[in-house]
Amino acid sequence: DQQVKQNSPSLSVQEGRISILNCDYTNSMFDYFLWYKKYPAEGPTFLISISSIKDKNEDGRFTVFLNKSAKHLSLHIVPSQPGDSAVYFCAAPNGDSGYALNFGKGTSLLVTP
Amino acid sequence: DTEVTQTPKHLVMGMTNKKSLKCEQHMGHRAMYWYKQKAKKPPELMFVYSYEKLSINESVPSRFSPECPNSSLLNLHLHALQPEDSALYLCASRDRGGEKLFFGSGTQLSVL
Repeated sequence: DQQVKQNSPSLSVQEGRISILNCDYTNSMFDYFLWYKKYPAEGPTFLISISSIKDKNEDGRFTVFLNKSAKHLSLHIVPSQPGDSAVYFCAAPNGDSGYALNFGKGTSLLVTP
Repeated sequence: DTEVTQTPKHLVMGMTNKKSLKCEQHMGHRAMYWYKQKAKKPPELMFVYSYEKLSINESVPSRFSPECPNSSLLNLHLHALQPEDSALYLCASRDRGGEKLFFGSGTQLSVL
């Protein structure tokens, strides 16, 4: 049962515009969320996170928004750059699994010049 | 040092071979993880080690055998694998009380 869902497999955005990647979760016990960026044949790289006590966290061009009532979070990248092209995974630690991360299926972002 | 180092980067093995994957971290993290990732899929948890003891085994077949010889090292011993076991194998570690997992760059395994 997928507890973290990313329903958009892919997204294409022009350079300089905003990229919005969405994530939904079903487990109301989740209280921390992370976004990872991944290139093919490489390990995921941590990008940004948010605790459930906040509704927004910003780090440079990256902002994550959390709507607890809707069990929804989104990652905004502004402005998007070609180097941002990668697969982005939304994840939440599961206390029942040694705080291993439950990953969504990922969204492949392509930023075109 | 905020790195998790995995070796080898690539591995090709036959179905009768025995091989091992190695993972090392020197961040003092006491939780370590093995994940498996197939193409176009999310990473899938295999094993969790906490303080060098196996705490989670996600019903992984016995042809995969994890080992944690000390707090910095994690091995994954492979024996009699099947072609469908071909995947990227990722190691990760986590600091006590932290939520972030630090991942290695993975071992791309091909079973012929």
